Amino acid sequence: KQEVTQIPAALSVPEGENLVLNCSFTDSAIYNLQWFRQDPGKGLTSLLLIQSSQREQTSGRLNASLDKSSGRSTLYIAASQPGDSATYLCAVNNNAGNMLTFGGGTRLMVKP
Amino acid sequence: SAVISQKPSRDICQRGTSLTIQCQVDSQVTMMFWYRQQPGQSLTLIATANQGSEATYESGFVIDKFPISRPNLTFSTLTVSNMSPEDSSIYLCSGGGHEQFFGPGTRLTVL
Repeated sequence: KQEVTQIPAALSVPEGENLVLNCSFTDSAIYNLQWFRQDPGKGLTSLLLIQSSQREQTSGRLNASLDKSSGRSTLYIAASQPGDSATYLCAVNNNAGNMLTFGGGTRLMVKP
Repeated sequence: SAVISQKPSRDICQRGTSLTIQCQVDSQVTMMFWYRQQPGQSLTLIATANQGSEATYESGFVIDKFPISRPNLTFSTLTVSNMSPEDSSIYLCSGGGHEQFFGPGTRLTVL
């Protein structure tokens, strides 16, 4: 059974810092991996999707990498801003059926 | 991408009653899913909503408690039956292809 772990569970940084969120998964036979953002009391916003054959994906200040063999993904946020404050969730898709297994999330606070 | 809406956005219900949550996608999608997010927790998959057949439930979730309908490729409902305070959660639906998109969620409080 796939298990997804995110470290750290919470992170507080001053504005402008570059930061890295970590995600690890136990079963490396994944189809793809997706990073989401969740604001308090809201649904999930898809940030980046990485297919199993890809090493990284970039969108603006966000860069996600994938090392399937070691069961790891990282989300890099450059020049963090207070508006980046949210919970970031990593989710793994083990087959083309598209059901996701979620990590516990990293709660990020960026202080002005 | 897909835009997903849910109704209601929130509700407060009495113990023993049932609530039906609706999920609408702006385009046809093969797969739709229902997740539960308990307070302070991450998301757990409840079931896959299959069009034209019964839903497929994950371990720990049963049809009698969480009946699901999927009448077409853009719509699904989840009913939370005979509710107890332990059912207080956010319920989210998702759909799409390889990239999954989520609705805004339904925040349910059971008194």
